Amino acid sequence: AQSVTQPDIHITVSEGASLELRCNYSYGATPYLFWYVQSPGQGLQLLLKYFSGDTLVQGIKGFEAEFKRSQSSFNLRKPSVHWSDAAEYFCAVGAQNNDMRFGAGTRLTVKP
Amino acid sequence: DAGVTQSPTHLIKTRGQQVTLRCSPKSGHDTVSWYQQALGQGPQFIFQYYEEEERQRGNFPDRFSGHQFPNYSSELNVNALLLGDSALYLCASSRPGGLGGYTFGSGTRLTVV
Repeated sequence: AQSVTQPDIHITVSEGASLELRCNYSYGATPYLFWYVQSPGQGLQLLLKYFSGDTLVQGIKGFEAEFKRSQSSFNLRKPSVHWSDAAEYFCAVGAQNNDMRFGAGTRLTVKP
Repeated sequence: DAGVTQSPTHLIKTRGQQVTLRCSPKSGHDTVSWYQQALGQGPQFIFQYYEEEERQRGNFPDRFSGHQFPNYSSELNVNALLLGDSALYLCASSRPGGLGGYTFGSGTRLTVV
């Protein structure tokens, strides 16, 4: 079965600084990869997804992620963080049978 | 365009009781998945329903059961509640083929006392 590891439990960045959240996956076939964001007490919102093709994908709110097959990684990046980006971020891997598994999440704190 | 709707938003139950949570998928979606998210954790896959049948199941005991109706809505039932069942229960729906990713509801916060 597929699995996801998010090595960083908590990250703090200053507003305006760049951001990179790490995600490593394990899956035997071509993965479908996703990043979701969750505000406190809320459901999950899809930021971006990768299925095939260009390994650099653009998402909403200025986020992007790069798929690196050789490293089994799908890291999320943003060039300049805004205070409103403070939230929990989840990486997920989906299989062709539509079964999606999530990482444990990375909590992002933004300093003013 | 209504997204995924879950009810109730919050509820409190006593140990040993039974609970039913409900989910209406986004219009055009036919697959419903349920997740349990304990405080400070990532969502854990419970099961997935498609064409009114359980298609996939995660590592959850038989106390957790579900149902999908012809209109694609779904219920999650938990019997003999334990304190450890306290969590946010998330419902997610997806389109036929499921390659678009999931649309999540806001969840039901279950507290077992």
